[in-house]
Amino acid sequence: NAGVMQNPRHLVRRRGQEARLRCSPMKGHSHVYWYRQLPEEGLKFMVYLQKENIIDESGMPKERFSAEFPKEGPSILRIQQVVRGDSAAYFCASSAPGTGSIEQFFGPGTRLTVL
Amino acid sequence: QQQVKQSPQSLIVQKGGISIINCAYENTAFDYFPWYQQFPGKGPALLIAIRPDVSEKKEGRFTISFNKSAKQFSLHIMDSQPGDSATYFCAASTSNTGKLIFGQGTTLQVKP
Repeated sequence: NAGVMQNPRHLVRRRGQEARLRCSPMKGHSHVYWYRQLPEEGLKFMVYLQKENIIDESGMPKERFSAEFPKEGPSILRIQQVVRGDSAAYFCASSAPGTGSIEQFFGPGTRLTVL
Repeated sequence: QQQVKQSPQSLIVQKGGISIINCAYENTAFDYFPWYQQFPGKGPALLIAIRPDVSEKKEGRFTISFNKSAKQFSLHIMDSQPGDSATYFCAASTSNTGKLIFGQGTTLQVKP
């Protein structure tokens, strides 16, 4: 009974490159959330997705960031033309479908370092 | 109005003591209040959660106290152990949005 899986666990990119972060939710979960944690700070909501739908992207930066959760396969958080300020830990969480089922379970995170 | 304020920023407790972490919120639409525990290099782990229809919830050594009128809630860790040393985050959300609004975190150190 695997939990939320994220890969890669560590990712190093140079300024201007693209970063792709993957998240596989827990079995039976169809809701995925992405959060960003800057050093010494709390977690900030970025985006909430269900299969093939973006439900809430109010926390996503307007440029360079995008997210998807296709019908098949993991959810992807994509950061284009990375800058040093994108260096952070990115966490994915998932929850089960159904009204009131809002317990979110987090993955181990992807630590992005931009050189 | 979306903020959740958490205090203290750091806390040192002797083994066997009680650790208390407090959070306050503004948005009265919040109806779900979880606490997460995070160890260095790991993802946050759900510890305990409460809804505003109860004033207290206890699971083992962990208790949430909830004061709806004051818009405050707190985590109490009884008989604190060195293994409890971690960063603790409170959070809040509304059932229909799902997104969690996190406090700034409290780094707890339990001394042997």
